[in-house]
Amino acid sequence: QSALTQPASVSGSPGQSITISCTGTKGDVGGYNYVSWYQQHPGKAPRLLIFDVTNRPPWISNRFSGSKFGNTASLTISGLQAEDEADYYCSSYRSSNTPFVFGSGTRVTVL
Amino acid sequence: QVQLQESGPGLVKPSETLSLTCSVSGYFISDNYYWGWIRQPPGKGLEWIGSIFRTGETYYNPSLRRRVSISVDTSKNQFSLRLNSVTAADTAMYYCARESFDIVAAQTLINYMDAWGKGTMVTVSS
Repeated sequence: QSALTQPASVSGSPGQSITISCTGTKGDVGGYNYVSWYQQHPGKAPRLLIFDVTNRPPWISNRFSGSKFGNTASLTISGLQAEDEADYYCSSYRSSNTPFVFGSGTRVTVL
Repeated sequence: QVQLQESGPGLVKPSETLSLTCSVSGYFISDNYYWGWIRQPPGKGLEWIGSIFRTGETYYNPSLRRRVSISVDTSKNQFSLRLNSVTAADTAMYYCARESFDIVAAQTLINYMDAWGKGTMVTVSS
């Protein structure tokens, strides 16, 4: 079972926007609108940021947004803040014998 | 507000069985969610282990299927993980989570985890 592909690291300056990609196949990201994103600070549990590709839980800032084109989903963080420095994981339903899969994870650094 | 709390031994010997329990408060485990386990080896990414519904219906990661079992006790509002024949590769932070799901064409689709426990570290070592 292979993870969805994410860049190992992304960085940006405060106030900038950054985008994290999550690449899969038509059997997961490309075939279903069941992509979600999680934020994980060091030593903490992951926290849901985005579900169903574009939806935000009510407690999540609108600086976080999700999108998808073909087999690649993306998470955009606008107005980058120091508190956004964390690891980010995508996930998706997968139409195989592994019904759920996470991405490889991306470390976001605020310069 | 739903809260999840993992509990169990922090040290397990190689070849033995890892057993963890997740206690849920603020929400009935018998309501309409799946309940799952996810693990994260030190310095590595997240790995979905498996999920269970109130009826006992389960889904497992094929890479662990031969060694894993998840059970639910609705009377105690808990669900549990057992992982047999552990090795050092099973050393990880183990999280329990509430999982939203959908049913499409009579097939269950695990969708996302909207509530997580704080995690419990399990080390496999003699």
